[in-house]
Amino acid sequence: DVKVTQSSRYLVKRTGEKVFLECVQDMDHENMFWYRQDPGLGLRLIYFSYDVKMKEKGDIPEGYSVSREKKERFSLILESASTNQTSMYLCASTPVPGYEQYFGPGTRLTVT
Amino acid sequence: GENVEQHPSTLSVQEGDSAVIKCTYSDSASNYFPWYKQELGKRPQLIIDIRSNVGEKKDQRIAVTLNKTAKHFSLHITETQPEDSAVYFCAASDAGNMLTFGGGTRLMVKP
Repeated sequence: DVKVTQSSRYLVKRTGEKVFLECVQDMDHENMFWYRQDPGLGLRLIYFSYDVKMKEKGDIPEGYSVSREKKERFSLILESASTNQTSMYLCASTPVPGYEQYFGPGTRLTVT
Repeated sequence: GENVEQHPSTLSVQEGDSAVIKCTYSDSASNYFPWYKQELGKRPQLIIDIRSNVGEKKDQRIAVTLNKTAKHFSLHITETQPEDSAVYFCAASDAGNMLTFGGGTRLMVKP
């Protein structure tokens, strides 16, 4: 069964802190994605990776970076968290771009 | 880049009625159109998808139609049930195969 997991369901951080969100998939998928979900805005792509050590900016990369050292793991990093980064963060993976994406359960991040 | 608009943002129907959610896209090169359902507190999951070489696809009570000329596609749910209550997202895959999502529709099915 397809499985994408995220390191935390809920996270509370202070402004200026460095935040790590981790995503792990056990399906041997090449492609992994980070989205943020805000009411009325749908899911917006932050970064994606199509191979180990490869990364591409999505639609809203400002304030974020990513790391993919192993095929199964894709990390999202907030170098200096700000209140406008309070959101739900969803990770996804797919074997082939343009096909079904499998989502993790999400991390609800609150920055105070 | 691709732009996907989704309407309505909320939809309330009586159990047993039909529900229709509509999306428009901007990139004529888009060729893959999935629909995801997200129940409260859960992850989005694919419920149906359609490719640009097909005009309609049906799976039990749900169907998707695609009008390439007008650049719009729709989700149709018949005989709605309370368990259909969720947020539904449409998406379009552009030439780079990245998905762009619509803003979501909160469907409420009243028993």
